Amino acid sequence: EDKVVQSPLSLVVHEGDTVTLNCSYEVTNFRSLLWYKQGKKAPTFLFMLTSSGIEKKSGRLSSILDKKELFSILNITATQTGDSAVYLCAGDEAYGQNFVFGPGTRLSVLP
Amino acid sequence: DTAVSQTPKYLVTQMGNDKSIKCEQNLGHDTMYWYKQDSKKFLKIMFSYNNKELIINETVPNRFSPKSPDKAHLNLHINSLELGDSAVYFCASSQDETGIYEQFFGPGTRLTVL
Repeated sequence: EDKVVQSPLSLVVHEGDTVTLNCSYEVTNFRSLLWYKQGKKAPTFLFMLTSSGIEKKSGRLSSILDKKELFSILNITATQTGDSAVYLCAGDEAYGQNFVFGPGTRLSVLP
Repeated sequence: DTAVSQTPKYLVTQMGNDKSIKCEQNLGHDTMYWYKQDSKKFLKIMFSYNNKELIINETVPNRFSPKSPDKAHLNLHINSLELGDSAVYFCASSQDETGIYEQFFGPGTRLTVL
């Protein structure tokens, strides 16, 4: 059965800290991995990763995919209180299961 | 056990047709949602619904209508399908509508309008 596992499930840090969120996946016919940030409203899209070893960056956020070891990490440097949210990763299958979402990592950034 | 399920997973249809996508959650949640994923992978909320209230994103055409036969189901009905409706549609549920609790997502339905 396809599944996506995220760790940690919950994380509390202070402003300025750097965090690494983990996502491992077992998705048949894997096509890509997506990261979303979910606050109180709709999830906002962060990254789509299809190729192994190529880092994607957006401001203080960066992510990389390892298709051999079947995982991805999301890094956030110099965290801010506005980074507090649930971070979701989802595996996209070419056909069949469609998207498999992980349980999310709840990040709390304290002032 | 599947927490949030959608059917069908794939839907290919002609312009002008009417179609429905079903969503069911077995989590006992009070609030359910429909999202449309655009070509850039952004998720746009279409509706949120709980026992008390239906909240509609005003940008959603009125050809789209949610129907909830009971608390565990929120189906999406689309009339007069257009080419631009082609997308992946996600259903999600959460414990309540406050935004405090995580949303659990279904696998998505890939809709292709020809």
